[in-house]
Amino acid sequence: AQSVTQLDSQVPVFEEAPVELRCNYSSSVSVYLFWYVQYPNQGLQLLLKYLSGSTLVKGINGFEAEFNKSQTSFHLRKPSVHISDTAEYFCAVSDRAAGNKLTFGGGTRVLVKP
Amino acid sequence: NAGVTQTPKFQVLKTGQSMTLQCAQDMNHNSMYWYRQDPGMGLRLIYYSASEGTTDKGEVPNGYNVSRLNKREFSLRLESAAPSQTSVYFCASSEGGLAGGFYSQYFGPGTRLTVL
Repeated sequence: AQSVTQLDSQVPVFEEAPVELRCNYSSSVSVYLFWYVQYPNQGLQLLLKYLSGSTLVKGINGFEAEFNKSQTSFHLRKPSVHISDTAEYFCAVSDRAAGNKLTFGGGTRVLVKP
Repeated sequence: NAGVTQTPKFQVLKTGQSMTLQCAQDMNHNSMYWYRQDPGMGLRLIYYSASEGTTDKGEVPNGYNVSRLNKREFSLRLESAAPSQTSVYFCASSEGGLAGGFYSQYFGPGTRLTVL
């Protein structure tokens, strides 16, 4: 079974500083990869996804992620964060053989400080 | 379009009580999902329905039942609630669910359930 590890449970960062959220998954077979964001007391919203093609994926709100097959990683980055980026971020993986079923990581809570 | 809606938003139950969480989507999606979210564990799939008329177990199905009432609605039932079922429950839907392609999942706002 697939597993997803988000290495940092919390990341404090100052406004306008860069941030990187790390995500590793267990299997190197063909996968689809996702990052979701959850703002306080809301549902999840898709930030970006990797299905195939270029390993650098750009998403909404200035976020991007890089798929590294050899390291089974899909780290999320933003060069300059805003207060409004304070949220919890989830990495998720779907095996291509598993249809649309997603396996989520434990989440990384980002707190942007002024 | 309202997207994915869930009712209720909050619920408190006593151990042993039963309840049904309702979910509806207006995007004409084929597939629907129920997840639970617990601190530090991300979201875990309880049940899913790849298409109208089918349901399958996910990672943590014990203690739950589901009904795909029609294409729009997918309900989750707790027959005898236990404190371990205290969680936030999310419903999601996607256009397709079969192998060979991937369709993004859209999430509802969640139901916060406490079992005393």
